[in-house]
Amino acid sequence: AQSVTQPDIHITVSEGASLELRCNYSYGATPYLFWYVQSPGQGLQLLLKYFSGDTLVQGIKGFEAEFKRSQSSFNLRKPSVHWSDAAEYFCAVVPYSSASKIIFGSGTRLSIRP
Amino acid sequence: ETGVTQSPTHLIKTRGQQVTLRCSSQSGHNTVSWYQQALGQGPQFIFQYYREEENGRGNFPPRFSGLQFPNYSSELNVNALELDDSALYLCASSLESGKETQYFGPGTRLLVL
Repeated sequence: AQSVTQPDIHITVSEGASLELRCNYSYGATPYLFWYVQSPGQGLQLLLKYFSGDTLVQGIKGFEAEFKRSQSSFNLRKPSVHWSDAAEYFCAVVPYSSASKIIFGSGTRLSIRP
Repeated sequence: ETGVTQSPTHLIKTRGQQVTLRCSSQSGHNTVSWYQQALGQGPQFIFQYYREEENGRGNFPPRFSGLQFPNYSSELNVNALELDDSALYLCASSLESGKETQYFGPGTRLLVL
């Protein structure tokens, strides 16, 4: 079945530490890939996206993500987190065969330890 | 450039009632998608409208319906509300259908009692 998996429900990291949020997808062909962030009570803000080309994608707020076809993964990274990064992070895909809808993972809640 | 706006921000209804949520797309965008986000979950695709026509639908019953107007703003209508319809409803607009990036509004939080 087609799916997007974010295996970590909740992650806590110390301010200034590095961060990696995991995302795996299962689709026949490489879908379009996204990471969104949602602060409490807010809508979704696009962090970055991958359609094709260079597998390392740079986004806003110092985030980057790497597409690995062999692992069907699109993990999000940041070298040094700030307290303002505390939020819910969603990995999402647009299946190549169904370009009208975004399919979201269940999200990873990020907490920052002072 | 005006972003995606939604109204109202919050709404309380009772079971069996009907509700209409509104969305104004970002300037220049002709495609609007609606998503339902239950508490603690990722958003679920309801449907998309492209140039006033429905262009894809998720796994939601027919009591969820929509409209898109000539100015590309959109409405989401839900009839016969159920308790499980309580959620944050998100609208997103994009330049075109397909792989174009979708930009989200702040959402409408609906509580069904």
